[in-house]
Amino acid sequence: AQTVTQSQPEMSVQEAETVTLSCTYDTSENNYYLFWYKQPPSRQMILVIRQEAYKQQNATENRFSVNFQKAAKSFSLKISDSQLGDTAMYFCAFMKHDDYKLSFGAGTTVTVRA
Amino acid sequence: GAVVSQHPSWVICKSGTSVKIECRSLDFQATTMFWYRQFPKQSLMLMATSNEGSKATYEQGVEKDKFLINHASLTLSTLTVTSAHPEDSSFYICSARAGTGALYEQFFGPGTRLTVL
Repeated sequence: AQTVTQSQPEMSVQEAETVTLSCTYDTSENNYYLFWYKQPPSRQMILVIRQEAYKQQNATENRFSVNFQKAAKSFSLKISDSQLGDTAMYFCAFMKHDDYKLSFGAGTTVTVRA
Repeated sequence: GAVVSQHPSWVICKSGTSVKIECRSLDFQATTMFWYRQFPKQSLMLMATSNEGSKATYEQGVEKDKFLINHASLTLSTLTVTSAHPEDSSFYICSARAGTGALYEQFFGPGTRLTVL
């Protein structure tokens, strides 16, 4: 089974500032996908960003970007220009190619302060 | 975008009764649906994977006789919690995967809060 570790239970950031969430994973697979999901107070899971392991280029989605280090098995999320609406729990997730099951980390609660 | 609904959004039941939760893909056909359980301020734990027309595959430690899953059509999967007890109180989330397009993509329902008295 794959293990996904998020070592930061909580993070707080000032509005307009940048925050980085860490995620490491353990796998023997070479072909897989990594995801960051956001779960706001409504508890609806929202996909933030996705990275295919075979791609060296780091994925970006507007204010969200990742630092994918395959050899180190690290997949951090950077939120730039933080907004109040970014306040949520963020989950890092791993999926083996052709398996389609998601393994989630424990989550990081991000609070954006006005 | 693809939409997944769950019904009910919140249910309260008495200990010993059974509760059924529905998960529907509204605008696409879901060849695979997944059921997760989430305790407050914790992560999502995969309970089972259901494929249309076949038996569900349960994760280790999940009682298949207690959590009955039926994926009778390409747009509907149901989770029935049988003989519910207070420890079954939790937030249950489903997700659905289409059989075409980006096969890795899962679309999540809004979740169902179950409270067993």
